[in-house]
Amino acid sequence: AQSVTQLDSHVSVSEGTPVLLRCNYSSSYSPSLFWYVQHPNKGLQLLLKYTSAATLVKGINGFEAEFKKSETSFHLTKPSAHMSDAAEYFCVVSGPGGYNKLIFGAGTRLAVHP
Amino acid sequence: GAVVSQHPSRVICKSGTSVKIECRSLDFQATTMFWYRQFPKQSLMLMATSNEGSKATYEQGVEKDKFLINHASLTLSTLTVTSAHPEDSSFYICSAAGTSGAYEQYFGPGTRLTVT
Repeated sequence: AQSVTQLDSHVSVSEGTPVLLRCNYSSSYSPSLFWYVQHPNKGLQLLLKYTSAATLVKGINGFEAEFKKSETSFHLTKPSAHMSDAAEYFCVVSGPGGYNKLIFGAGTRLAVHP
Repeated sequence: GAVVSQHPSRVICKSGTSVKIECRSLDFQATTMFWYRQFPKQSLMLMATSNEGSKATYEQGVEKDKFLINHASLTLSTLTVTSAHPEDSSFYICSAAGTSGAYEQYFGPGTRLTVT
């Protein structure tokens, strides 16, 4: 079965400091992995995706994630946080059954302080 | 491109009534659409997968007679919550997958349902 665990429910950083949001996955086959962001009262936006190509994936707004098969991890990073990065972040793994079924992690709320 | 809309964005209804939520892909054809439910401060839970022209596939524990899904065209799917109860109050989010594959879904902005 596929599952994803986000190791931190809340992360708080100061503006201009690095961001690290941790995600571990479990999959019985080579997964596709995603990071989505959800701002208050807005729809989910895709930040980046890994689909068995390069293990270091660059996304929008300066975010990137590295797929590490040996560690079953797909952590999200950003060198310098902006106030506008404050949001809920979801790590997602593609599930079984075809038709692009997605399995969401519990989410990590990122707070950015001035 | 790849915009998904939902209507309404917010709805309040009385217990026992039914409410319909629309999900539209505005600039692409969506062969598959998904309906999710999100409780406050929790993650998204997949309710059902719908394919244009066929019956929806519901996840375990989701009542298909209560949450009616229709995917009548390649750009429109509807979710009808029948005989709504206060415990059905939630944030409902749809997503659409295009025909290009790559496991990418495009999400709508969500509909906040409150049942009084």
